Amino acid sequence: DAGVTQSPTHLIKTRGQQVTLRCSPKSGHDTVSWYQQALGQGPQFIFQYYEEEERQRGNFPDRFSGHQFPNYSSELNVNALLLGDSALYLCASSKRGNSPLHFGNGTRLTVT
Amino acid sequence: QKEVEQNSGPLSVPEGAIASLNCTYSDRGSQSFFWYRQYSGKSPELIMFIYSNGDKEDGRFTAQLNKASQYVSLLIRDSQPSDSATYLCAVRPSGGGYNKLIFGAGTRLAVHP
Repeated sequence: DAGVTQSPTHLIKTRGQQVTLRCSPKSGHDTVSWYQQALGQGPQFIFQYYEEEERQRGNFPDRFSGHQFPNYSSELNVNALLLGDSALYLCASSKRGNSPLHFGNGTRLTVT
Repeated sequence: QKEVEQNSGPLSVPEGAIASLNCTYSDRGSQSFFWYRQYSGKSPELIMFIYSNGDKEDGRFTAQLNKASQYVSLLIRDSQPSDSATYLCAVRPSGGGYNKLIFGAGTRLAVHP
C-alpha cells in the first residue's frame, strides 16, 4: 500500500525564482493539503484541494498556488521565492470527511 | 495567543517509564484531535486520534481528551529509546475544512537507557 509520495526530496533555489513541488496521495485518498514547516515549529496549513479545486486556504500570500489533477495528485507552486520560504513542505492526504491526515516525507526547500 | 500550546521540552524519561505529553487548545468548538510523532529530519507520523471525551488506547499509547478543560494528552507506557522524537499535537478547528489542522510547536521527548 503506497503511502503519500512527494518529489523532489531536496531542492535549492535562489531568491526570486519559482519552484514546483509534487505530491501523490495515499491509495484511496481523494483530498490533498499542503503544509509548511519551518525549523522548530509545527506545520502550518497552506491550502487544501479536492475535486480539483482549492477548498480552503491558510494565511499564505498569493505567491503560493496549487493544482490538483484528475488522478488526485497535486502540485504546489511558489513564485518569487524569499529567504523565508526555506522550510520543509509537507503534503498530506485523506479521504473526504473527518478522517486523519497522512503525511508524505516532505520536500526540503532551501532558498539562498 | 497561540491556538495550540505544548511544552517544548525536552521531556526526559528513563527507559520503561511512562511519558506524559500535554496539549491545550483555544478553540472550544474543536472536535478532532491528533498526535503525530516526528523524528528529526523526517515527516510527521500519525500516532493517535481522538474525537470523544475520555481515553483511547492503542498498544502502548493512550490519548486522553477533556473538552471542558480544552486539554489533550498522550501517555506512552514502557517508553523505549526509539520513542525519542518530537510529538506534535494537532487540532481540527471548528468551522474549518477537514484537512485544516492547527499544530502545536511540539514537545521533544528523550528516553534514556
